[in-house]
Amino acid sequence: SQQGEEDPQALSIQEGENATMNCSYKTSINNLQWYRQNSGRGLVHLILIRSNEREKHSGRLRVTLDTSKKSSSLLITASRAADTASYFCATDSGTYKYIFGTGTRLKVLA
Amino acid sequence: GAGVSQSPRYKVTKRGQDVTLRCDPISSHATLYWYQQALGQGPEFLTYFNYEAQPDKSGLPSDRFSAERPEGSISTLTIQRTEQRDSAMYRCASSRLAGGGEQFFGPGTRLTVL
Repeated sequence: SQQGEEDPQALSIQEGENATMNCSYKTSINNLQWYRQNSGRGLVHLILIRSNEREKHSGRLRVTLDTSKKSSSLLITASRAADTASYFCATDSGTYKYIFGTGTRLKVLA
Repeated sequence: GAGVSQSPRYKVTKRGQDVTLRCDPISSHATLYWYQQALGQGPEFLTYFNYEAQPDKSGLPSDRFSAERPEGSISTLTIQRTEQRDSAMYRCASSRLAGGGEQFFGPGTRLTVL
């Protein structure tokens, strides 16, 4: 079973626009991570945010975490065609058993 | 090694056969995870190792699935008496820290059970 649910399931935007995707989860967490997967290939780690953090930045990525709402959002600014991929959130409740969400499929049109 | 490697990359087998998948993590990484990923879905946790210890195997679907990491480095995932529903991508990941942190994923093994 998957704890996280990403929203929207699919997103299509023009190059240069911002993309926002959300992740909701069910139980308390220690940390939450975001991963990118291109065309069924291996997953690549993007960013980790701990439960005592509210916001984190990495390049064009901005992640927020609201533990009271059990949700996180990933913002990609100034999107590029190379950002086309599926994005997954993964949560750890302190047991090191990472639970991945269902993913958001992002398509950036050139 | 430079990254996580898995072998074979593709495996086709007949129902009822046993298969063994191999994962070679990044050297010195303490933690190793196994996931099963269906098409269009996120990875589903199977089990993980901290060095050679296996603290959690709650995600293994049945007792036909087992995993080993006897020397705390290379790991194998064995599926006995394969069934068609076992067809999936099996992914391995390793993490530097014991029990958590950024995971580095391998390319996966695509298993098809006929």
